[in-house]
Amino acid sequence: KAGVTQTPRYLIKTRGQQVTLSCSPISGHRSVSWYQQTPGQGLQFLFEYFSETQRNKGNFPGRFSGRQFSNSRSEMNVSTLELGDSALYLCASSLVAGEAFFGQGTRLTVV
Amino acid sequence: GQSLEQPSEVTAVEGAIVQINCTYQTSGFYGLSWYQQHDGGAPTFLSYNGLDGLEETGRFSSFLSRSDSYGYLLLQELQMKDSASYFCAALGSGNTGKLIFGQGTTLQVKP
Repeated sequence: KAGVTQTPRYLIKTRGQQVTLSCSPISGHRSVSWYQQTPGQGLQFLFEYFSETQRNKGNFPGRFSGRQFSNSRSEMNVSTLELGDSALYLCASSLVAGEAFFGQGTRLTVV
Repeated sequence: GQSLEQPSEVTAVEGAIVQINCTYQTSGFYGLSWYQQHDGGAPTFLSYNGLDGLEETGRFSSFLSRSDSYGYLLLQELQMKDSASYFCAALGSGNTGKLIFGQGTTLQVKP
């Protein structure tokens, strides 16, 4: 069974630009969550989608948004990029609460 | 608010047993998960405790005590490949994929 797939793996953007990251969950998993990982802040929850609806949202500014499609694939978007947005962005899918399966992540560098 | 505390670093020798503790303070708590992350890799699900007590999965065991707001991950017969970061994560409610992570414990296994 295929795992969680995130694209692209690496991305370099300039301050002020926007970026869209993609996540394909494990087949049959309807819950998709996004996390930001940085050395200073660790793993922080961004948002969760379930059946195309945002079910939970973390404490991030409105520049961070996401959506989920009918096939459970999800995208997250960050607008007006700042240097501090440089991080590893991880997507996780779940079938059972508490058991999250992560993709390899997208490493975003903002210059 | 929600916070989880775990030691930042632990060192042990190959073949030994190590315990990584996690204490939590959360406004809502449903269960505790554990994840392993090697350098440059994605977090990998290890175990989930939805009920008090011990869960055993091979060389790894996890324990939860709700009355003490405390849990731990026990790694037996340590191997060099167990050198990684270990995160505890709290699940806020049963119908959500939102996980609040601790800062992680770096385990170094020495020969």
